[in-house]
Amino acid sequence: EAGVAQSPRYKIIEKRQSVAFWCNPISGHATLYWYQQILGQGPKLLIQFQNNGVVDDSQLPKDRFSAERLKGVDSTLKIQPAKLEDSAVYLCASSLRGVGYGYTFGSGTRLTVV
Amino acid sequence: AQSVTQPDIHITVSEGASLELRCNYSYGATPYLFWYVQSPGQGLQLLLKYFSGDTLVQGIKGFEAEFKRSQSSFNLRKPSVHWSDAAEYFCAVASGGGADGLTFGKGTHLIIQP
Repeated sequence: EAGVAQSPRYKIIEKRQSVAFWCNPISGHATLYWYQQILGQGPKLLIQFQNNGVVDDSQLPKDRFSAERLKGVDSTLKIQPAKLEDSAVYLCASSLRGVGYGYTFGSGTRLTVV
Repeated sequence: AQSVTQPDIHITVSEGASLELRCNYSYGATPYLFWYVQSPGQGLQLLLKYFSGDTLVQGIKGFEAEFKRSQSSFNLRKPSVHWSDAAEYFCAVASGGGADGLTFGKGTHLIIQP
């Protein structure tokens, strides 16, 4: 089966600019997650969707980050405006129906804010 | 809130020697536990997972881990490491509820000496 697709692979922007990342989960996977991995750290969950509804966004910096999953398939994560500390790899993962079914991670988008 | 501690930031092991990476978790109920490996510039690869049942779980690449509830630990082991095992290793925990995103530790960087 096809994996979790993410684009772009790399993005360089200046601080205060906006940026968007795209994720296409495995077909049929109801649950989708976005993680932020800062260099030298473990991934941190930003938001979890179940179909097109938000299950958990407690760690999403809502003043600048937003995410949506229209129609319960693809998802976009947006940062506006970006700060230097947002430089990280943004990982998308999906699951058929949650933890009991395991997770599949995409390759991530590496964001550099200069 | 759940948390994961990986006490060793770096570990150096000689090729052919045995390996144990430590992981301690904090979670009120029975956790879902995972070990992932990440090579430079690569995505996260699942090594093994524990959901329930036998507390000794086998994974890919010759890795195994043992769940010890009394010690809140889920240590990863390998009897003989290969140079290709050099990578970053992450322990992670998830709950069984609806909000089941992973909480990762900070990772252990494994260095293999020839």
